[in-house]
Amino acid sequence: GQQVMQIPQYQHVQEGEDFTTYCNSSTTLSNIQWYKQRPGGHPVFLIQLVKSGEVKKQKRLTFQFGEAKKNSSLHITATQTTDVGTYFCAGGRYGNKLVFGAGTILRVKS
Amino acid sequence: SQTIHQWPATLVQPVGSPLSLECTVEGTSNPNLYWYRQAAGRGLQLLFYSIGIDQISSEVPQNLSASRPQDRQFILSSKKLLLSDSGFYLCAWLTGSGNTIYFGEGSWLTVV
Repeated sequence: GQQVMQIPQYQHVQEGEDFTTYCNSSTTLSNIQWYKQRPGGHPVFLIQLVKSGEVKKQKRLTFQFGEAKKNSSLHITATQTTDVGTYFCAGGRYGNKLVFGAGTILRVKS
Repeated sequence: SQTIHQWPATLVQPVGSPLSLECTVEGTSNPNLYWYRQAAGRGLQLLFYSIGIDQISSEVPQNLSASRPQDRQFILSSKKLLLSDSGFYLCAWLTGSGNTIYFGEGSWLTVV
């Protein structure tokens, strides 16, 4: 079945450093979505990418969707302590099921 | 606006006891509904999804079951809990456009 791999599993950065998490699907996706889960909370939708090669920005966050629509990345510039949490990618195929990656846990040292 | 409610927020249950987690969605009709489980520090595992009343699909074999007696109500149950059932259970619904999932606040289950 469809698999979505996400790396790294865990990253600990100094405040102000950049952070990137990568997502790779075994199959071509119709869209990719990113979610953030704060410690003790529930995942919250951040963004959806649909087009091949699409790039979207939300303040310090930059999201990319690969040309082949099988991979994606989330890059955070100059991390802050408020960025702490687990970031999940979720791959959508043509249908109503999303397959989530295992998530990347981000810790930020102040 | 659409909202999703899930309860109870936390519970501690002994091994072998039954379980019932309830989820309701407001502000929409005929939503796709989902139950996910997240073990401590792990990713999201899809347990069940439903496209309509009494229409449930199971993603993984287990001792849990789901029911959807009403359009906006989704229930996760177990007759006899196992220690391995401990985790964070999330109900979610799919928006009609954009294929985006919105999660409830989750239920922390500890089986002792």
